[in-house]
Amino acid sequence: GENVEQHPSTLSVQEGDSAVIKCTYSDSASNYFPWYKQELGKRPQLIIDIRSNVGEKKDQRIAVTLNKTAKHFSLHITETQPEDSAVYFCARGQGAQKLVFGQGTRLTINP
Amino acid sequence: GAGVSQTPSNKVTEKGKYVELRCDPISGHTALYWYRQSLGQGPEFLIYFQGTGAADDSGLPNDRFFAVRPEGSVSTLKIQRTERGDSAVYLCASSSSPGGNTGELFFGEGSRLTVL
Repeated sequence: GENVEQHPSTLSVQEGDSAVIKCTYSDSASNYFPWYKQELGKRPQLIIDIRSNVGEKKDQRIAVTLNKTAKHFSLHITETQPEDSAVYFCARGQGAQKLVFGQGTRLTINP
Repeated sequence: GAGVSQTPSNKVTEKGKYVELRCDPISGHTALYWYRQSLGQGPEFLIYFQGTGAADDSGLPNDRFFAVRPEGSVSTLKIQRTERGDSAVYLCASSSSPGGNTGELFFGEGSRLTVL
C-alpha cells in the first residue's frame, strides 16, 4: 500500500503546552484514520480515531482533524502532561482491516 | 485472559531455523491481525484473518512466512529458514468487528524475534 508520511519524527514540549503531529497520505480510498500511542516496550493502544465523513473529533485533551481533500490529518494534544510522553503513530486504511502506519513521532513532555 | 496474549515474548534463533509465534486473541473476537514492527518504525501489516480464513495475506513478505488460525481463535505465525532481516517485534491484534470495518484493534505485547 501507499505510505503515510508523519511529521515531526521527534517533538519536545513543555508540560502544559500543546503538541501537534501531522500525517499526509495519498490513497484517496482511505476512510479510517486512527492514532495509536505506544509507550516504551509496550503495545500500541488506540487513543482516538476518525472516519472520513467527519472533519474533527475531540476526546478530552485529545483532538483529531481530517482534511480529506488535502489528504492530511492531525493529532492535537492540549495541556500536555508527563504521562503523554510516548511514541505516537498515525495510520490510514479502508476500514481497519489493513492499516498503513506512519513512522511514528516520539513525544517528550518536559516538566 | 482479558487481553491479547502472545508467546514467546522473546525468541532468539539462528539463521536458517524454523520459528513459530503464537497469538491468543481476546475471547469472542472474530478478526485477528499480524503486524511486524522493526526498530524505530511503525507496525507493518502482514495478514488478516476473519474467522478461520485468511481474508488478506498481501503483507506477507515471501513464501517463508505462513500463518494459520484453524479453529478461529488462536493463530500461529510460522517463519521458515529465518534470515537476519526477519528480526523484529511481531505484533498480533484482534478486533470484535466483523470485517474489521470499525472499532479498535487490541494489540498484544508482541514477540521479539532475533535472528543471529
